[in-house]
Amino acid sequence: EPEVTQTPSHQVTQMGQEVILRCVPISNHLYFYWYRQILGQKVEFLVSFYNNEISEKSEIFDDQFSVERPDGSNFTLKIRSTKLEDSAMYFCASSEIGGSEKLFFGSGTQLSVL
Amino acid sequence: GESVGLHLPTLSVQEGDNSIINCAYSNSASDYFIWYKQESGKGPQFIIDIRSNMDKRQGQRVTVLLNKTVKHLSLQIAATQPGDSAVYFCAENILPVLGGKLIFGQGTELSVKP
Repeated sequence: EPEVTQTPSHQVTQMGQEVILRCVPISNHLYFYWYRQILGQKVEFLVSFYNNEISEKSEIFDDQFSVERPDGSNFTLKIRSTKLEDSAMYFCASSEIGGSEKLFFGSGTQLSVL
Repeated sequence: GESVGLHLPTLSVQEGDNSIINCAYSNSASDYFIWYKQESGKGPQFIIDIRSNMDKRQGQRVTVLLNKTVKHLSLQIAATQPGDSAVYFCAENILPVLGGKLIFGQGTELSVKP
């Protein structure tokens, strides 16, 4: 069964450093998303991406965040200068059609900012 | 405002019993609802969805019920098995907004006793 893959599974970084979280969505999917989950809290929407541009973003997704689809298979989330409160599990997801219908999630990258 | 919440944070059932997980939503404009299952160390896994023009939808061992009058959503799992132990999230979206902004509830942890 096709799946969304994310690397790395764990990332530890120092506050102020840049991190790039990587995702390979399901190959025939056209819509891509990043969500995050702070320990013990809800899964929160960050951003959606379609046709090489951001479709929608949340208040969390400020100027420190960016997304990119550098080639035909990868989808990345960059945090330019990490803060302690960025520590969370980051999930990539993809779907065939938009509107959040049947999102398929990856296993996540646990980001720890020290 | 927009929010999705769950009535119970934990639910413990005997193997073989039926489980019912509840969810309340506050956005009357929401017209698409999804249940996700999240096992430890994994991303949310799609279980079943329902649109607001339906009251009930059945899958394999799972049924989702939607009561728009009281803005309530429930997930019923028949003959619960140990493999069903996980955290269950409801999520909502307003269609046909493209962009994939799912609003997740807090989650209910289902524990199945053998």
